Amino acid sequence: GEDVEQSLFLSVREGDSSVINCTYTDSSSTYLYWYKQEPGAGLQLLTYIFSNMDMKQDQRLTVLLNKKDKHLSLRIADTQTGDSAIYFCAESYSGGYQKVTFGTGTKLQVIP
Amino acid sequence: SQTIHQWPATLVQPVGSPLSLECTVEGTSNPNLYWYRQAAGRGLQLLFYSVGIGQISSEVPQNLSASRPQDRQFILSSKKLLLSDSGFYLCAWSTGQVNNSPLHFGNGTRLTVT
Repeated sequence: GEDVEQSLFLSVREGDSSVINCTYTDSSSTYLYWYKQEPGAGLQLLTYIFSNMDMKQDQRLTVLLNKKDKHLSLRIADTQTGDSAIYFCAESYSGGYQKVTFGTGTKLQVIP
Repeated sequence: SQTIHQWPATLVQPVGSPLSLECTVEGTSNPNLYWYRQAAGRGLQLLFYSVGIGQISSEVPQNLSASRPQDRQFILSSKKLLLSDSGFYLCAWSTGQVNNSPLHFGNGTRLTVT
């Protein structure tokens, strides 16, 4: 079945770049997403990439997709304390509804 | 613009009591609607999804049920809560009849069953 894996924790210093990694198993994935969850809140869609793309940049966020290795990464440039949150990788599949599988989330801690 | 509302934000209920969580979406028609549960602040488990009024699909057998009485209203219910029903419940929507539109989440309901 589908599986999405992420490391549980990442700690970086304010101003440094953060790189959050994700691996997935289903080669038929069509879109891959990054969500951010702050404490006690819902998931906020940060960005997403279509599976035929290699890279997408949106301000401080850069998404890299290696489809051969089924590896997705999210780079946050100039990480700020407000970036501290849990980041979820997710993949979706074509079908009669939006079937999305989420990773377990990476908790990003930004040290001032 | 589209918005999604969930309530209540927090809920403490005794074991054996009923449950009703409500979710509404504004600014879109015929959305796909979803209920997820997040345990221990981590992975999300899809509980139910709906592609239209009265159409409910369940992903996992459980003590909960869902209903969609109106196009943009999704309700999560239980007749008798169990301790294991405690968790963070998230409602989400995506654009209907469009493959791979992103999911957009509400702010969640923190349910504690005592």
